[in-house]
Amino acid sequence: AQSVSQHNHHVILSEAASLELGCNYSYGGTVNLFWYVQYPGQHLQLLLKYFSGDPLVKGIKGFEAEFIKSKFSFNLRKPSVQWSDTAEYFCAVNAGSGGYNKLIFGAGTRLAVHP
Amino acid sequence: DGGITQSPKYLFRKEGQNVTLSCEQNLNHDAMYWYRQDPGQGLRLIYYSQIVNDFQKGDIAEGYSVSREKKESFPLTVTSAQKNPTAFYLCASSPATRGELFFGEGSRLTVL
Repeated sequence: AQSVSQHNHHVILSEAASLELGCNYSYGGTVNLFWYVQYPGQHLQLLLKYFSGDPLVKGIKGFEAEFIKSKFSFNLRKPSVQWSDTAEYFCAVNAGSGGYNKLIFGAGTRLAVHP
Repeated sequence: DGGITQSPKYLFRKEGQNVTLSCEQNLNHDAMYWYRQDPGQGLRLIYYSQIVNDFQKGDIAEGYSVSREKKESFPLTVTSAQKNPTAFYLCASSPATRGELFFGEGSRLTVL
């Protein structure tokens, strides 16, 4: 069965520190990859997505992610975090077949940024 | 404004009662989804529907039922057969196959 693993469940950083959140998936077919963010009290929103082309994708708020096919990975990065980046981050892979769009999510990583 | 509306936001029910959560979208999306979010487990897919009058079971469909009579609406019923119904439920929609999902604000169900 397809699955998505996020290695860090909780991450605590100080402002201006660099961030890297790991994401690995198990799915042998063509994949579409996503990172979603859930700020406290808000709904899930898309940070960035990879469908094809340049494996380094840039998203909103200075986030980027790199798709490494050989490693089945799609790690999220930000060079310098801010207090406002405190949120829960979810990696997801589209594992649909037969024309169905079906996103499988990882367990999430809670990021706390201290001023 | 276009979006996905879930209601109610908070719901309390007694054990043994069926509960229906509403999800309406005005984005003209074909596909709609229900996920359940539990702490430390991420989002797990309950049901999804690609078109009207068609829906598929997700990974944790037991104890849940859905209908898709209109493109805009995809209600979820949490039945008394669901062993652990207390959770945060998220509805989503997408415009096409293999595309991104757009989420509603969620409904928090507490069974007493």
